[in-house]
Amino acid sequence: LAKTTQPISMDSYEGQEVNITCSHNNIATNDYITWYQQFPSQGPRFIIQGYKTKVTNEVASLFIPADRKSSTLSLPRVSLSDTAVYYCLVGPNTDKLIFGTGTRLQVFP
Amino acid sequence: ETGVTQTPRHLVMGMTNKKSLKCEQHLGHNAMYWYKQSAKKPLELMFVYNFKEQTENNSVPSRFSPECPNSSHLFLHLHTLQPEDSALYLCASSQPGLSSYNEQFFGPGTRLTVL
Repeated sequence: LAKTTQPISMDSYEGQEVNITCSHNNIATNDYITWYQQFPSQGPRFIIQGYKTKVTNEVASLFIPADRKSSTLSLPRVSLSDTAVYYCLVGPNTDKLIFGTGTRLQVFP
Repeated sequence: ETGVTQTPRHLVMGMTNKKSLKCEQHLGHNAMYWYKQSAKKPLELMFVYNFKEQTENNSVPSRFSPECPNSSHLFLHLHTLQPEDSALYLCASSQPGLSSYNEQFFGPGTRLTVL
């Protein structure tokens, strides 16, 4: 499974757009890129998944360049409730998710 | 009740106790998982069940014993635990094979403290 690298922490203010980048240089052809969100003392929650180019849903956008060696999770106009840990995972459609340390996003008023 | 539920939400036990964690999913999924999340550490996958069969045991000590009687229920039996086993234990489920998504739905977790 491809190893991922993402910033340990990020700070933002309410109303700003937040972009969290994840590096996955060893991504394989059949790997998907998936992001999860976790609040303290809760289980992670699926945010978005993509394979290439851009994916958008009601919560976030995921940008994946052509070489797929990185991806960027974009959260538009964050609020205090977006304060959480965000995990980038890379893998094929299997049932083995490997979580890294994630990016701790702190949103300030 | 919808989604993935876990009971109890909090558990304190001594090292000589035997207890069980319960997970139930109401999503019609066929895969269920146990994860462990210790303080300031990433989530660690412990066990995976597909269609009630264990398909993954991530080198978990034998003091943790999973049981999956059907696709909707998953148990984690605990005995002679150590204080370092104190953690948040998370259950998840998914529906493998139907699409390209490997989205897992997590329960709220059981906060376990071993004294």
